[in-house]
Amino acid sequence: DQQVKQNSPSLSVQEGRISILNCDYTNSMFDYFLWYKKYPAEGPTFLISISSIKDKNEDGRFTVFLNKSAKHLSLHIVPSQPGDSAVYFCAASGRRAGTALIFGKGTTLSVSS
Amino acid sequence: KAGVTQTPRYLIKTRGQQVTLSCSPISGHRSVSWYQQTPGQGLQFLFEYFSETQRNKGNFPGRFSGRQFSNSRSEMNVSTLELGDSALYLCASSVTGGSGEKLFFGSGTQLSVL
Repeated sequence: DQQVKQNSPSLSVQEGRISILNCDYTNSMFDYFLWYKKYPAEGPTFLISISSIKDKNEDGRFTVFLNKSAKHLSLHIVPSQPGDSAVYFCAASGRRAGTALIFGKGTTLSVSS
Repeated sequence: KAGVTQTPRYLIKTRGQQVTLSCSPISGHRSVSWYQQTPGQGLQFLFEYFSETQRNKGNFPGRFSGRQFSNSRSEMNVSTLELGDSALYLCASSVTGGSGEKLFFGSGTQLSVL
């Protein structure tokens, strides 16, 4: 059973608007949540993370919100730019060192100019 | 600072063969982990090494194995290849592999099994 779910395979947004990518999880023992971005033919690159003890983390145009009671997190990109077009993966990790990142299946974001 | 380097970039093998993939982590990073990416399953964790010791292993058959050397470089091996092993294999490194630590990924090795 999938522990991390990204229910929207794709999202299309106009340049300058807000992009909201969603992620749900089932395991309440997850300690950290991370977002990665992936371009074709490249490995994923880290975007932003949030600890389970926080409910918001911001880094420039990117903000991640965590709702523990709903086991839901979201990534907001404001304003969206064409260069943001990529596959976005939500991932979660446990507390132990060496623990695996559990990834969602990704959401493809397309930002049109 | 050089990023994570994976070789080879592409590989074509036939069923029953074995393959070895190589990963050089970022200098100073002692944790190396491996992931398999397929269109249907997304990224799935294979194993993680720290200081030459496997600390964690994903739910893959014993045909998948790995090791880490004293310079933190890592290899993974897949024996008796099956068609379903066709995937992008990604290596990632981090300083200690601690919880929530940022992973730096290589560009991957695209394995095709015919």
